[in-house]
Amino acid sequence: AQTIHQWPVAEIKAVGSPLSLGCTIKGKSSPNLYWYWQATGGTLQQLFYSITVGQVESVVQLNLSASRPKDDQFILSTEKLLLSHSGFYLCAWSLKDTQYFGPGTRLLVL
Amino acid sequence: AQSVDQPDAHVTLSEGASLELRCSYSYSAAPYLFWYVQYPGQSLQFLLKYITGDTVVKGTKGFEAEFRKSNSSFNLKKSPAHWSDSAKYFCALEGLGYGNEKITFGAGTKLTIKP
Repeated sequence: AQTIHQWPVAEIKAVGSPLSLGCTIKGKSSPNLYWYWQATGGTLQQLFYSITVGQVESVVQLNLSASRPKDDQFILSTEKLLLSHSGFYLCAWSLKDTQYFGPGTRLLVL
Repeated sequence: AQSVDQPDAHVTLSEGASLELRCSYSYSAAPYLFWYVQYPGQSLQFLLKYITGDTVVKGTKGFEAEFRKSNSSFNLKKSPAHWSDSAKYFCALEGLGYGNEKITFGAGTKLTIKP
């Protein structure tokens, strides 16, 4: 069975500090991978997607970047956090059409 | 461009009632449509999808949805509703662009079922 793991579970970071969030998928080969951001009580905004190792497409510009260093790994990062980066970050995978979401990482930027 | 509209931010019903959560979309071609549920403090769970074929699709937890091309809607239904259905529900559209990767979510409908 496939599993999706996100780390860390939660972070409290200072404005201007760097950030790295991770996502791994086990049990599926070459899935499409996605990053989403959700403001508290808000909708989901798709940030990035990747259909293969080493290739990442940006959907919106939020001073974030993403990388896919391995087939089963997706990384979201920034060198300088903004207050507006606070929220819930969700990683998802798909093979055909349906997306399945990870447990998420809660980020609070102070 | 693609968009999803969930016009009802909040819906409150009594347990045992029939529920229908509204979703409309705008897209130039045939869309893939989805419903997801998010319980408080949790991630999203897949409920059901419409890709093609039968316009009434059944999903998990006793939910179903009807795709209506005539008015670009994909409403979620369940009868009877149970208090455990209280959650936030998101409608989503997957555009058939490059690789089918662009996903747009509606703002969500927070459903409260009173016991």
